[in-house]
Amino acid sequence: DTGVSQDPRHKITKRGQNVTFRCDPISEHNRLYWYRQTLGQGPEFLTYFQNEAQLEKSRLLSDRFSAERPKGSFSTLEIQRTEQGDSAMYLCASSLALAGTQHFGDGTRLSIL
Amino acid sequence: GESVGLHLPTLSVQEGDNSIINCAYSNSASDYFIWYKQESGKGPQFIIDIRSNMDKRQGQRVTVLLNKTVKHLSLQIAATQPGDSAVYFCAENYNQGGKLIFGQGTELSVKP
Repeated sequence: DTGVSQDPRHKITKRGQNVTFRCDPISEHNRLYWYRQTLGQGPEFLTYFQNEAQLEKSRLLSDRFSAERPKGSFSTLEIQRTEQGDSAMYLCASSLALAGTQHFGDGTRLSIL
Repeated sequence: GESVGLHLPTLSVQEGDNSIINCAYSNSASDYFIWYKQESGKGPQFIIDIRSNMDKRQGQRVTVLLNKTVKHLSLQIAATQPGDSAVYFCAENYNQGGKLIFGQGTELSVKP
């Protein structure tokens, strides 16, 4: 399967801990996106990269959140000092640039105790 | 703020019937629209897309209709099957491949 891969699938952590998620996009895709989805809602955009460059960040992405894509391939999303409100599904998607279809991974479900 | 919304949160249909899922969008600058299907515990799965220079596009058992005059998008599923049961989201894009803005979703339930 050469789809978007996310790791881990589930993460349970205590409030105040730091967590990091990884996303491996479809290999030829140069754009990579992060979204957050809470129960019963549609995904909300967080940030996206074109190659290594982070082109847009949502206001949802507080200073506790940081995303990187150092070599233009995989990406990591780190949340520092986690809060109860961070509990959600974190989705990654990738696409070719210029209006390419975004293909999603199956997400990382984060639960804050 | 501007957002994509859905008219109905739930839709129940009989197996073999046609389903129609509706979506209203508010950004007249949006030029690309996508329908996704999301099953429990999985990420959104691409179904079909349409650009603003078209008003209809057909796929296998699915058709998307776009009415720019009233900013309305619909997904038609022919001969609905139990495997079609899922939450369906429409999404819009207006800056050539950047972020998608999603609606809340419609849960489709197919009765055998």
